[in-house]
Parts: sequence; C-alpha cells; structure tokens
Amino acid sequence: NAGVTQTPKFQVLKTGQSMTLQCAQDMNHNSMYWYRQDPGMGLRLIYYSASEGTTDKGEVPNGYNVSRLNKREFSLRLESAAPSQTSVYFCASSPRTGYEQYFGPGTRLTVT
Amino acid sequence: ELKVEQNPLFLSMQEGKNYTIYCNYSTTSDRLYWYRQDPGKSLESLFVLLSNGAVKQEGRLMASLDTKARLSTLHITAAVHDLSATYFCAGENYGGATNKLIFGTGTLLAVQP
Repeated sequence: NAGVTQTPKFQVLKTGQSMTLQCAQDMNHNSMYWYRQDPGMGLRLIYYSASEGTTDKGEVPNGYNVSRLNKREFSLRLESAAPSQTSVYFCASSPRTGYEQYFGPGTRLTVT
Repeated sequence: ELKVEQNPLFLSMQEGKNYTIYCNYSTTSDRLYWYRQDPGKSLESLFVLLSNGAVKQEGRLMASLDTKARLSTLHITAAVHDLSATYFCAGENYGGATNKLIFGTGTLLAVQP
C-alpha cells in the first residue's frame, strides 16, 4: 500500500503560470482534502471532497480549483499563480469526513 | 465554527523531563486527533480520542480528552531527543452533512540533550 501519493514533490513557478498538483490514494477512502501549510499558520483547508462526485470549499479556496477525477484521485489547480501561494501543499484522505486523515508527503511550491 | 488553540507554541525541554501540551477547542467536538510532523516531512497520526475521558498511550506520549472542559492534553514523560517534532491537535467541526477537521497551529517541541 502506497497510502497517499502526491506529485510533484517540488515546483517553482513564475507569477501567472498555471499548474496542477496531483494526489492519489489507494485506501478506498471516500473523502479527500487539500491543505496548505505556512509557517505559524498550521494547516488550512483549501478544498475537500466528501465523496466521489462532490467538492466543497474550505477555509482558503481563492485562487484554486479542484477536480475529483475518480474515487482515487483529487487534483488541485492553480490557474494563475501568485507569490502568496508559495507554500507546502498536503493532500489527505479519510474513510469519510470527520474521521482520521492520512496525509501525503507534500508538495513544496515556490512562486516567484 | 470550531477554533482550536494549542499552547505552548514552542517548547524547549531537557531530556528526561516531563511536560504537557494543551489543546483547547471552542465548541463541541467529540473526536480529537493528535498528529506529529518531523521537519520537512508529512503529518503522521499519533492518537485518535473518540470519547470523553479517553486516554491513549504510546511509549513516552500519553493523550487524554475532556470534552466537558473542551481540552485535550499530550503528556510527554522523560523526554528523549527523538521526540523533537511539531505536534498538532485537530478537532472535528460539525457542519451539517460533512464534518471537517480543524487543526491547531502546532507546538514545536525541541528536546535538548
């Protein structure tokens, strides 16, 4: 079992560029999440998908879009990257919302 | 909406000493989670506390939950350097059909030899 995997591990973008962060889980979990982690801010929820076919905004959704491609995969897209989006992004999954979440290894994104 | 506060935010302690990290939360949350994060790494689940009075222990770490006081504690006994990490607590925010976890800002623990 790989658990939760994320690609890429590192990325540098210029302001205005777009990119998609990929996340996949092999635990047959219904719910998936995208967080960003900034120093002193803990983890902040960007978007989540309670089940396949549904997505909802979290605490900081502006500037991001998501797609729940199937039960396994949940992607995060930055349409026009801004320096304020420099952060570490974590994907997580859980059997259902409110349950223990399992985290991926993270993507370190720098926007210059 | 649930708010989760941890204190202290930073804790420097000597090996062999005991200490407690506190996690206070603002509204009802029947489940409380503790995670550990090593520098540059992902979050690893430590404990899941599911009911009032729950106590769980693993090695030198013990977590407890008091839902009436809206308080969870993570107690460290006879700290060792390997416990140096950032510890997060997270409570369950009830939101209609879906519940989300709300994380505290974390406690950075540095155990000095």
